[in-house]
Amino acid sequence: EAGVAQSPRYKIIEKRQSVAFWCNPISGHATLYWYQQILGQGPKLLIQFQNNGVVDDSQLPKDRFSAERLKGVDSTLKIQPAKLEDSAVYLCASSDIEGLDSPLHFGNGTRLTVT
Amino acid sequence: AQKITQTQPGMFVQEKEAVTLDCTYDTSDPSYGLFWYKQPSSGEMIFLIYQGSYDQQNATEGRYSLNFQKARKSANLVISASQLGDSAMYFCAMREGGFSGGYNKLIFGAGTRLAVHP
Repeated sequence: EAGVAQSPRYKIIEKRQSVAFWCNPISGHATLYWYQQILGQGPKLLIQFQNNGVVDDSQLPKDRFSAERLKGVDSTLKIQPAKLEDSAVYLCASSDIEGLDSPLHFGNGTRLTVT
Repeated sequence: AQKITQTQPGMFVQEKEAVTLDCTYDTSDPSYGLFWYKQPSSGEMIFLIYQGSYDQQNATEGRYSLNFQKARKSANLVISASQLGDSAMYFCAMREGGFSGGYNKLIFGAGTRLAVHP
């Protein structure tokens, strides 16, 4: 089966600019996650979708970050305006069933550099 | 609040030797799951092994095993017969069962960088 697809792979922008990331989960996976991974740290959950509804966005900086998952499939994560501290790898993941033992399947991530 | 601690920023091991990566966790939820992921330099996160809080036996997947000590709240990853390709970051993660009927988010530790030397 095809894995989680993310694009772009790399992005360099200046602070105060906007940027968008795209994710296509594994076919049939109802749950989609966006994680932020700052260099040297573990991934931190930004937002979790169940189909096209938000389950958890408690750590999403809503003044600058937004995310949507139209039709319960693809998702986009946007940052506007970007800050230097947003430099990180943004990982998208999906899982097929929402069980305690359901592993997350991750994409290759988008490495964002804000200058 | 759930918490994951990985106290070893870096470890090295000789090829073909076994290595243990430490993970401790904190939760008040009796139902939880523990995961280990591998992240090579290419960046993708690869699921390795899972242990449920009610599982009676330690989980094993090929060369990976999880040394689960529930009373000590530890879930150490053991890699046997290390290979050069095992060089990567390793993350421990936990998901609580949740009291509201749903499942809490998967949270990660800070990771341990493993270097396998020939």
